[in-house]
Amino acid sequence: GESVGLHLPTLSVQEGDNSIINCAYSNSASDYFIWYKQESGKGPQFIIDIRSNMDKRQGQRVTVLLNKTVKHLSLQIAATQPGDSAVYFCAENPGNQFYFGTGTSLTVIP
Amino acid sequence: NAGVMQNPRHLVRRRGQEARLRCSPMKGHSHVYWYRQLPEEGLKFMVYLQKENIIDESGMPKERFSAEFPKEGPSILRIQQVVRGDSAAYFCASLGQAKETQYFGPGTRLLVL
Repeated sequence: GESVGLHLPTLSVQEGDNSIINCAYSNSASDYFIWYKQESGKGPQFIIDIRSNMDKRQGQRVTVLLNKTVKHLSLQIAATQPGDSAVYFCAENPGNQFYFGTGTSLTVIP
Repeated sequence: NAGVMQNPRHLVRRRGQEARLRCSPMKGHSHVYWYRQLPEEGLKFMVYLQKENIIDESGMPKERFSAEFPKEGPSILRIQQVVRGDSAAYFCASLGQAKETQYFGPGTRLLVL
């Protein structure tokens, strides 16, 4: 099966600091990647995506970086807020399927 | 999550009963994915459907599980003769075309007693 792994299962940051969540993927054929945020008891919520022809994509307070050489994906959240506390998943899409990592739990300390 | 509907939100079944989970995709979306999520774990792909067609069911257990997405009406994930190990959250996601963003529903939490 596919392997989409996260380097850190938990991450705690101070409110206002920047957060970086990392993800390693294994399938070099993956050409589409997505970051999701999941709050307790809810479904995953789309944050940002990136295609393999790009190295970086920015959204509102979030940036995704893609390094295809080492098969690494990261999500940067600027000025982290308490509302950012959640589990974050990366997903890769090499074909029909989307493969999700196990998630990183982000806790924002007020 | 806006637009993707799942019902019921919570479902309790006794061992041996059937569970039917429904998913109504976003308006205009013709692709549906079903995922299963155990506590503190990621989402595991189960099946990918287009209307009236199963595209990829490689993540579905061979027995007791089935899925459909009829021309009219919601997509249904059916689990027959449920066992306690089927207890999990089941999410569906819809998208308009392949290689587009999936949008998830709120999930159905299945508890098998």
